Amino acid sequence: GQNIDQPTEMTATEGAIVQINCTYQTSGFNGLFWYQQHAGEAPTFLSYNVLDGLEEKGRFSSFLSRSKGYSYLLLKELQMKDSASYLCAVSDSNYQLIWGAGTKLIIKP
Amino acid sequence: EAQVTQNPRYLITVTGKKLTVTCSQNMNHEYMSWYRQDPGLGLRQIYYSMNVEVTDKGDVPEGYKVSRKEKRNFPLILESPSPNQTSLYFCASSLPGLRETQYFGPGTRLLVL
Repeated sequence: GQNIDQPTEMTATEGAIVQINCTYQTSGFNGLFWYQQHAGEAPTFLSYNVLDGLEEKGRFSSFLSRSKGYSYLLLKELQMKDSASYLCAVSDSNYQLIWGAGTKLIIKP
Repeated sequence: EAQVTQNPRYLITVTGKKLTVTCSQNMNHEYMSWYRQDPGLGLRQIYYSMNVEVTDKGDVPEGYKVSRKEKRNFPLILESPSPNQTSLYFCASSLPGLRETQYFGPGTRLLVL
């Protein structure tokens, strides 16, 4: 079966760095997405990785290792507004998105 | 403004009473889909549509119907809702293609009594 694993919840301090991991087992791979979802709101796109390596976009970076079936989202200089759920999703061989359950990130002052 | 709209945003209904949740996008996207989101389970795809008059089942299609008569609209129909369909529903749209991100509507919170 297809499976995406992320930690359920993480806590970090304002101004710090946090890494949210995602491991996946899917039938085929056509890219990995990270989305941010604030409570009660719709998910919004953060990043897309299809090749191995690190993609940096401001305070957020996303890393992919296809051989390990592993990705992480790195958030730097954490702000209170970063409190949200972070969803990992993999595009499978049919280009359908398989979603993880999401990681709830709590930022403390 | 480019957006995906859903109506209603909140709905309380009773078992067996047919309902429709509308979804409309103004970005001329070919691809549209419906998801439900439940605590601890993440987003699960109900149905998707690659283009007008082309729809296909996602992971959890039982109890739902969809139609795609026009490019911009993709309504979700619950013919006979049951309490296990109580959930948060999202409509999403995108251009076809590998890297294309999905744009989500604001969500519809449904409670079936």
